[in-house]
Amino acid sequence: SAVISQKPSRDICQRGTSLTIQCQVDSQVTMMFWYRQQPGQSLTLIATANQGSEATYESGFVIDKFPISRPNLTFSTLTVSNMSPEDSSIYLCSVDLRVAGYTFGSGTRLTVV
Amino acid sequence: AQSVTQPDIHITVSEGASLELRCNYSYGATPYLFWYVQSPGQGLQLLLKYFSGDTLVQGIKGFEAEFKRSQSSFNLRKPSVHWSDAAEYFCAVGDSEGNKLVFGAGTILRVKS
Repeated sequence: SAVISQKPSRDICQRGTSLTIQCQVDSQVTMMFWYRQQPGQSLTLIATANQGSEATYESGFVIDKFPISRPNLTFSTLTVSNMSPEDSSIYLCSVDLRVAGYTFGSGTRLTVV
Repeated sequence: AQSVTQPDIHITVSEGASLELRCNYSYGATPYLFWYVQSPGQGLQLLLKYFSGDTLVQGIKGFEAEFKRSQSSFNLRKPSVHWSDAAEYFCAVGDSEGNKLVFGAGTILRVKS
């Protein structure tokens, strides 16, 4: 199975600032997924990132708030822009390894103060 | 669109007792089904998955799950629970196109000694 490195693992940020989260996979994958897990909640998909095309956002998530880059088949970033305390969550990237299933990074625990 | 229901928010079992966590899904075609476990402050670990074939699936840590198409269920079981199994368990459904996973709300398992 693939190994996903996600960083930072945690951060405390001031409201109004932006944070970029990086996700590195040790093999080439077509699609990468970004999820949000709000405190005490389940995981919700933010967007799907394909290399070479614009990310596809789920209802309730917009590119201006969560811009995503996917420069190659092993790397993606998610930026949380103009943060507010409501953005305090765990953000996780994931890849679909087909037969092996979906693998997740260890997550970025974000606290906005 | 697919959806997942985990009817039990919390479950408490005694160490050594058997465990069954319920999961019901809604999906029009043959689903890809997953169980993940999340320990406090940790990422998601894949316990087992069902794509096709034998409806009884064996996973890691002694867990198994049974796919019942007639009941749209994919319940997770373990014959004897250990204290280290205390965590939150998520059932998820995906599609054959390798698109997003939809997660249930999660079940928090407590193990009492």
